[in-house]
Amino acid sequence: EAQVTQNPRYLITVTGKKLTVTCSQNMNHEYMSWYRQDPGLGLRQIYYSMNVEVTDKGDVPEGYKVSRKEKRNFPLILESPSPNQTSLYFCASSFVPPSRVGELFFGEGSRLTVL
Amino acid sequence: GENVEQHPSTLSVQEGDSAVIKCTYSDSASNYFPWYKQELGKRPQLIIDIRSNVGEKKDQRIAVTLNKTAKHFSLHITETQPEDSAVYFCAAPRGMDTGRRALTFGSGTRLQVQP
Repeated sequence: EAQVTQNPRYLITVTGKKLTVTCSQNMNHEYMSWYRQDPGLGLRQIYYSMNVEVTDKGDVPEGYKVSRKEKRNFPLILESPSPNQTSLYFCASSFVPPSRVGELFFGEGSRLTVL
Repeated sequence: GENVEQHPSTLSVQEGDSAVIKCTYSDSASNYFPWYKQELGKRPQLIIDIRSNVGEKKDQRIAVTLNKTAKHFSLHITETQPEDSAVYFCAAPRGMDTGRRALTFGSGTRLQVQP
């Protein structure tokens, strides 16, 4: 089954404790991206990747890191989480960049709470 | 970069009525406009999209119209049903500074269809 898998789905952590949210897709998509969803703000892009070893900042990259060592994986790293990073996070992928008529396939989301 | 404004933020209609959600964008070079639907607790999913070379596209009860001169596009849902209740997001490609490799999403519209 074609899918985008995120883990963990739910996480409560404390300020400053490094964490990683994994994302994996099995559709051989070149484009992958991370979004955060907050009430009233819609989906805001954190980082995206056009292909292996190619990553770029989105609208709200501060406090986050990503890597793309393999085509299928695109982990999101919070080196020192803060309460303002409490949010619902979505990983998404597409065969071509979504701006070129490429449907984005989203993962199920990871709800992160930073105390 | 692209700025996408979406209205209204909430919309309540009676079952069987029509619903219209409108988005405006700022980058006149934008050429692709998708709509995503997010049911409660679920991931966003593409429901319809339109390219800038057409003015309207229909898929059963949903349609999208595009006015390039005014830089706005709208989602129309006819004969609404309770299962149409969800949050709807419009999107447009990011501006020229990133080669339009990403999408900017609107803030979302929560549609509630009353039985």
